[in-house]
This record gives sequence, C-alpha cells and structure tokens, in this order.
Amino acid sequence: EDQVTQSPEALRLQEGESSSLNCSYTVSGLRGLFWYRQDPGKGPEFLFTLYSAGEEKEKERLKATLTKKESFLHITAPKPEDSATYLCAVLPPFSSGSARQLTFGSGTQLTVLP
Amino acid sequence: EAQVTQNPRYLITVTGKKLTVTCSQNMNHEYMSWYRQDPGLGLRQIYYSMNVEVTDKGDVPEGYKVSRKEKRNFPLILESPSPNQTSLYFCASSNSPGWGVRGYTFGSGTRLTVV
Repeated sequence: EDQVTQSPEALRLQEGESSSLNCSYTVSGLRGLFWYRQDPGKGPEFLFTLYSAGEEKEKERLKATLTKKESFLHITAPKPEDSATYLCAVLPPFSSGSARQLTFGSGTQLTVLP
Repeated sequence: EAQVTQNPRYLITVTGKKLTVTCSQNMNHEYMSWYRQDPGLGLRQIYYSMNVEVTDKGDVPEGYKVSRKEKRNFPLILESPSPNQTSLYFCASSNSPGWGVRGYTFGSGTRLTVV
C-alpha cells in the first residue's frame, strides 16, 4: 500500500525563521508529487507539482524539492500569512493498483508568529 | 472563473435522513472525486469518476453513493447518514488522464454534522 508521511505534524515558527517541511513516500515510479496549501475550513489550494528527482519549484517564500524518496517544502523568512496546513500528495504509476488515486499525507500545520 | 462549486457549505442533519451534497465544475474536467477529511486521518477518497457514467470506489466508500449523469456534476448521496459520517467533505476535479500540472482543483468544502 502506498504511504505518504508528512513531518512534523505541527510547526511553530517566528516570523523570519526559515524551516523545512518533509513529505516521504513509499511509491516507486510515481508520476507526480503535489504540494497544496489549506487554510482552515477551505479546500486545498495548489502550490507545486514535481515530476522527477532533482526537480525544484519556487514561489515567493516557498521552494519545493524532490528526491527519490521524499520531498521538502522549504519556507524562507516566513510571514504570519504563511500560516496554514501544507499537504503533499503523490500520484502512483499506472501499473499500481491505486493508479487512479492521489494519495495524500496528513499534512503539516504551520503557524508563523509575528 | 474556473471553479468547483459545492453545496451546501454547512449541513446539520439527523441520523437516517437521506441527503445529497452537490458538486459542479465549469472546467470541462473528465475526472471528479469526493474526499472526506478528518483530524489526524487526512484526506481520504470516497468515490471517483473517470467520466460520465463511470464511477468507482475509493478508500472509504461505505455508506455513500455517487452518480455521474452529466460531465459537470458529481453529487454525493448519503442514503442513511450516521454520526460517523460527520466530517468535512471536498469535491475535486481534474483534466485526467495526465492530471494536468495542478492535480486537483478542490471545492470549498461541505461541513456535515450528523446527530
């Protein structure tokens, strides 16, 4: 069974204190890894898609990277408005029994204090 | 504006009273899916649909039904709701099979309470 594990479950940072969130997965040959941001009571909002090991994507203070077994979401000099839950999801290969399903991790709840 | 629209946003109902949560997308997406989100369990897929009249079970389909009679609509039906179906529900769509670069587009969610 495909597993997606995010750590830490919760993270509190001071404004300006850079850190990284981790997403590890057991899927071999995944077709894509997605990062989403979710604000309380709202639907997840797309951030990045990564397709292959070594790939990096950036958007404002966020940078996502991908290796063969995990992905990191680096947050540089965060601001309070970056507070949210960050979700990662993997898309398994077509050969997988779960090929039609995006498998989500449980998320990291990030709080950035002013 | 490209979006997935769910209704209602909030719903409180009693055990056993049939209900339907509607979902509509205006992006001509083929793939639609329902997820429930519970604390500590993350997003779990209930049902998905690859296209009109094509639906299949996800990880937690028990107690739910779906239909896909039109491409844009994918309602979620709870024939006899129970308290363990109290959850936050999300509808999502995608332009499969490539999933596009964004994976899913999500609706705003429906918070269901069954008493």
